[in-house]
Amino acid sequence: LAKTTQPISMDSYEGQEVNITCSHNNIATNDYITWYQQFPSQGPRFIIQGYKTKVTNEVASLFIPADRKSSTLSLPRVSLSDTAVYYCLVGAASGSARQLTFGSGTQLTVLP
Amino acid sequence: DSGVTQTPKHLITATGQRVTLRCSPRSGDLSVYWYQQSLDQGLQFLIQYYNGEERAKGNILERFSAQQFPDLHSELNLSSLELGDSALYFCASSRDRSYEQYFGPGTRLTVT
Repeated sequence: LAKTTQPISMDSYEGQEVNITCSHNNIATNDYITWYQQFPSQGPRFIIQGYKTKVTNEVASLFIPADRKSSTLSLPRVSLSDTAVYYCLVGAASGSARQLTFGSGTQLTVLP
Repeated sequence: DSGVTQTPKHLITATGQRVTLRCSPRSGDLSVYWYQQSLDQGLQFLIQYYNGEERAKGNILERFSAQQFPDLHSELNLSSLELGDSALYFCASSRDRSYEQYFGPGTRLTVT
């Protein structure tokens, strides 16, 4: 599984757009990029997944440049309830094993 | 609500004891995963089952075992418990061979 690097923490204010970048220099051809959100004492929640270019859903956007060595999770107009840990994961889509390897994640704190 | 249920929610037991944690996946999901989250180790993948068969093994101790039954629910058995086994144990499920996993609310295990 490709190793990922993301900032340990970020602060933002309500209503702002937040961009969290993840580096994955050793990403393989078959690897997908997946982001999860976790609140204290709760299970992680799937946010978004992508392979290349841009993916958007009702919650977030994921930007992946052509070389795929990094990705950026974009959260539009954050609120206090977006305060959580955000994890970037990279892994292959082939085979039947789907273990998720969580790193330390990014603690996002949204301030009023 | 992810659709994944876990019981019990809390469990307090003594060292040396054995406990069983239960997980019911989302309807239609064939894969079940177990994760352990402790303060010093973060979120660690333990084991994955796919349609009743073991598919991937992570950092699971020999004192721990799991199985997935024909109705697709899964149980995680922890024996000869030690203080260091105190943690949150999450179960997750997915529709197929996907990184989009849905996590349950977790079981908080306290070993005294």
